[in-house]
Amino acid sequence: DSGVTQTPKHLITATGQRVTLRCSPRSGDLSVYWYQQSLDQGLQFLIQYYNGEERAKGNILERFSAQQFPDLHSELNLSSLELGDSALYFCASSPWRTDNEQFFGPGTRLTVL
Amino acid sequence: AQSVAQPEDQVNVAEGNPLTVKCTYSVSGNPYLFWYVQYPNRGLQFLLKYITGDNLVKGSYGFEAEFNKSQTSFHLKKPSALVSDSALYFCAVRDMGSARQLTFGSGTQLTVLP
Repeated sequence: DSGVTQTPKHLITATGQRVTLRCSPRSGDLSVYWYQQSLDQGLQFLIQYYNGEERAKGNILERFSAQQFPDLHSELNLSSLELGDSALYFCASSPWRTDNEQFFGPGTRLTVL
Repeated sequence: AQSVAQPEDQVNVAEGNPLTVKCTYSVSGNPYLFWYVQYPNRGLQFLLKYITGDNLVKGSYGFEAEFNKSQTSFHLKKPSALVSDSALYFCAVRDMGSARQLTFGSGTQLTVLP
């Protein structure tokens, strides 16, 4: 158990809908990362927050957004969903030391029908 | 831009034999390199990392990795494979900028045959 929690575990929805994925980082970790894992794109970095502020963006679509709250949990919002958004979405957290690894949550499997 | 290559999609090895999962990287500057393992329907688990120092890095579950700067490689190794080592293995390099996000390779499916 990494100490990172993600809810829900599975999510099934229809095209055009909007969903919210939630992540709670390990206790004390200020940095949260979101990654998408799909068969065709592999594991891709989406976005990172540090202590409530957006720090970096990767291959994140404009239909996707995220935020980190004062209690450090983070939410990833996916809107106008398309079939191709079906994937496993991971959250990871880390402290801010330069040599620390990231700890990954169990993921949320999103299926868009 | 940094990148990681895992040239083998699939590696098969017999139980008890040594295993190697290959990884090469491309970065500007000194690399921060990581190996993660993913079991079916699970998240990624950290195995080991190279930041600086000894080129042979020891990690969890008996795994080790050898950093080779001249060959820009960071191969994962284990002296004696177990059936339970069968999983998907990812090599990753960390961004040297302020964000420090990971760039992953495409993954290598390791199957250890009994």
